[in-house]
Amino acid sequence: DVKVTQSSRYLVKRTGEKVFLECVQDMDHENMFWYRQDPGLGLRLIYFSYDVKMKEKGDIPEGYSVSREKKERFSLILESASTNQTSMYLCASRPGTAYNSPLHFGNGTRLTVT
Amino acid sequence: RKEVEQDPGPFNVPEGATVAFNCTYSNSASQSFFWYRQDCRKEPKLLMSVYSSGNEDGRFTAQLNRASQYISLLIRDSKLSDSATYLCVVNPPNDMRFGAGTRLTVKP
Repeated sequence: DVKVTQSSRYLVKRTGEKVFLECVQDMDHENMFWYRQDPGLGLRLIYFSYDVKMKEKGDIPEGYSVSREKKERFSLILESASTNQTSMYLCASRPGTAYNSPLHFGNGTRLTVT
Repeated sequence: RKEVEQDPGPFNVPEGATVAFNCTYSNSASQSFFWYRQDCRKEPKLLMSVYSSGNEDGRFTAQLNRASQYISLLIRDSKLSDSATYLCVVNPPNDMRFGAGTRLTVKP
């Protein structure tokens, strides 16, 4: 069974801090994604990655960066956390070769920026 | 226009009812389609993929209409445990796009 693990379930950070959200998958998936989910707005794509060292901006990349140095790990970085980045962050992965493969999600990180 | 649109609901139905959700998408190059279920404060989980010919999984039936660019989910004989938010997911080339979700509450 695919396992996508996010390093923290709950996180509280202060405004201006640099924040790292880590995601690891164990199924050798090429594609990895970071979403944030806010009430009434659904899941919005921040960044995604096709493969190691590759990244693409999603719909709301401002204030975020990502790192994919190894295939299994996709990190989301908040360069200088702000209160409007308080949200639920969801990481997901899927194989790159099969277009009809679904996403597999981690259990989310609920980030609060104070 | 949003890439993927769903009626947010809420849908409040009695147990045993049949309920249907629709989802429209804007990118005609979209290749694959899914329905996910999300419980409160949990991550989305795959409910079913949607195939061109339509497909069924127990009480759940999914349909795809490429010409009109919509997908649907039908739930028959609703159970209390079906209460959740249902997310429609569309795969345009190279990424995955979510609808905002439709909230379903099944009442005794």
